[in-house]
Amino acid sequence: AQSVTQLDSQVPVFEEAPVELRCNYSSSVSVYLFWYVQYPNQGLQLLLKYLSGSTLVESINGFEAEFNKSQTSFHLRKPSVHISDTAEYFCAVSETGGYNKLIFGAGTRLAVHP
Amino acid sequence: GAGVSQSPSNKVTEKGKDVELRCDPISGHTALYWYRQSLGQGLEFLIYFQGNSAPDKSGLPSDRFSAERTGGSVSTLTIQRTQQEDSAVYLCATDRGGYTNTQYFGPGTRLTVL
Repeated sequence: AQSVTQLDSQVPVFEEAPVELRCNYSSSVSVYLFWYVQYPNQGLQLLLKYLSGSTLVESINGFEAEFNKSQTSFHLRKPSVHISDTAEYFCAVSETGGYNKLIFGAGTRLAVHP
Repeated sequence: GAGVSQSPSNKVTEKGKDVELRCDPISGHTALYWYRQSLGQGLEFLIYFQGNSAPDKSGLPSDRFSAERTGGSVSTLTIQRTQQEDSAVYLCATDRGGYTNTQYFGPGTRLTVL
């Protein structure tokens, strides 16, 4: 079985500051890793994913996450946030070799202030 | 359609009544998932359909919950004898199957049980 821990339920940050949203997972098998974002009053959207290869993955809007197998982590970072990044961010895993059933963390609410 | 659609968007019902929630997947997506998003439990997997294979029902919280998928397309999630703890947002997601690993989520149905 897998589990995902997002250590911060809320992260307040000022515009243009850097941010890191933490995610740790536990699994007895290999997993794929995902970050999903939910903007206010919108559905869940895939932000980025790690399947294999380079452990650093990037999104089109400047976020990046690094898979660290030894730390079982997949932290999400952005060097300079915008007001429009205000949203809830969910880290998730799915088992490799299985179907894509997602196990989600509890979510981190990122609030960007001017 | 362009995306996953769900209906109704909101449903208010009285305790003890049955409800049906509908999901229309993206055309050509063979895999379909139901998740539940609630304040107390976060995002939980409920059930998975892939083509004509037997569904994975391992996430259904009780035998009051059931789902079907007709013709490999539209899916309905039925909750019988609703309870207040069933109040949540029910999310449907689909993907192309295989190991594409990108699930597309619908906007959800917000269920309120009075």
